[in-house]
Amino acid sequence: AQSVSQHNHHVILSEAASLELGCNYSYGGTVNLFWYVQYPGQHLQLLLKYFSGDPLVKGIKGFEAEFIKSKFSFNLRKPSVQWSDTAEYFCAVNSGGSNYKLTFGKGTLLTVNP
Amino acid sequence: NAGVTQTPKFQVLKTGQSMTLQCAQDMNHNSMYWYRQDPGMGLRLIYYSASEGTTDKGEVPNGYNVSRLNKREFSLRLESAAPSQTSVYFCASSEGPAAYEQYFGPGTRLTVT
Repeated sequence: AQSVSQHNHHVILSEAASLELGCNYSYGGTVNLFWYVQYPGQHLQLLLKYFSGDPLVKGIKGFEAEFIKSKFSFNLRKPSVQWSDTAEYFCAVNSGGSNYKLTFGKGTLLTVNP
Repeated sequence: NAGVTQTPKFQVLKTGQSMTLQCAQDMNHNSMYWYRQDPGMGLRLIYYSASEGTTDKGEVPNGYNVSRLNKREFSLRLESAAPSQTSVYFCASSEGPAAYEQYFGPGTRLTVT
């Protein structure tokens, strides 16, 4: 079965610091990759996604992620975080095709101090 | 558009009681999903409905039943609640298979005592 690992449970940064959140998955075939974000008191929403093509994908609010197939990784980055980025971030993987199942990582709580 | 709505927002049950969580979407999506979110566990898929009239088990279906009432509505039923079912439950919908973006509801916080 597909599994998704997020390396950091809780990350604490100061504003303007750079961010990288790790995500690794286990399935070796075709995958669709997602980062979702849950701001305090809000719904989960899509931050960005990768299906194919350029392995560097850009999402909302200045976030980007890089798909490295050889490392089974899809790390999330932002060059300069803001206090408003405080949220929980979830990496998710779908094994492609007509598969309806999305497997989520356990999440990384990001706290940005002003 | 309201997107995905869920009722109730909060619920407290005693062990053995039953209840139904309601979910509706107004985006004309074909697929709908129920997840549970537990601290340190991320989101785990309970059941999903690929299209109206079909339902399938996800990762953690035991103790739950679902009904895809029509294209808009997808309910989750706990027949005999257990403390292990204390969780936050999220409903989601998408146009098609999981490769499509999923849109999430606000969640139902359920406590079973």
